[in-house]
Amino acid sequence: GEDVEQSLFLSVREGDSSVINCTYTDSSSTYLYWYKQEPGAGLQLLTYIFSNMDMKQDQRLTVLLNKKDKHLSLRIADTQTGDSAIYFCARGGYSTLTFGKGTMLLVSP
Amino acid sequence: EAGVAQSPRYKIIEKRQSVAFWCNPISGHATLYWYQQILGQGPKLLIQFQNNGVVDDSQLPKDRFSAERLKGVDSTLKIQPAKLEDSAVYLCASTVPGQGHEQFFGPGTRLTVL
Repeated sequence: GEDVEQSLFLSVREGDSSVINCTYTDSSSTYLYWYKQEPGAGLQLLTYIFSNMDMKQDQRLTVLLNKKDKHLSLRIADTQTGDSAIYFCARGGYSTLTFGKGTMLLVSP
Repeated sequence: EAGVAQSPRYKIIEKRQSVAFWCNPISGHATLYWYQQILGQGPKLLIQFQNNGVVDDSQLPKDRFSAERLKGVDSTLKIQPAKLEDSAVYLCASTVPGQGHEQFFGPGTRLTVL
């Protein structure tokens, strides 16, 4: 199987919370990341978590890391239509990044 | 601070032709990466430079792909000859080695091989 796996699609209504999930097999990475990619654009780093942390909150974003289950999640509170994009989970550190295939988030009004 | 610059933004070629992409990283970023992102997938590393030296090119198809960063600043990635399966977005990223782990990505070059 893939090293980093994500569900492919998530649809929510504006104002709801979105939760995007990711699992990984290699636990040697220093950091785990969430990137956002809008159509025709490069990747924008949203947030990251150090591998020895369990949770990180940054405004509307909450990252949860379950090291035992090798599971990472990104919660977006009060999701807006501008949050519609592809979200990539990645693992890495002071070297190359290994990405999942991305989760397309569609936010409907 | 200017971001990572890439050109061209779009390129359409026929198979067996050659193509080159250019990347100018953020000023002062010594580490530069080229990624290939095929439609529907996440980016995959092709090559990593630190200054003008290659750190990792294990995933670069060296029979047709080449990359250089002669002066340790901007970089070019070349494909010769192109195949249909090379159709993808080629992303460049940069970071400051030893001081940061965050990679900053350019907008990418979308290559279509017909």
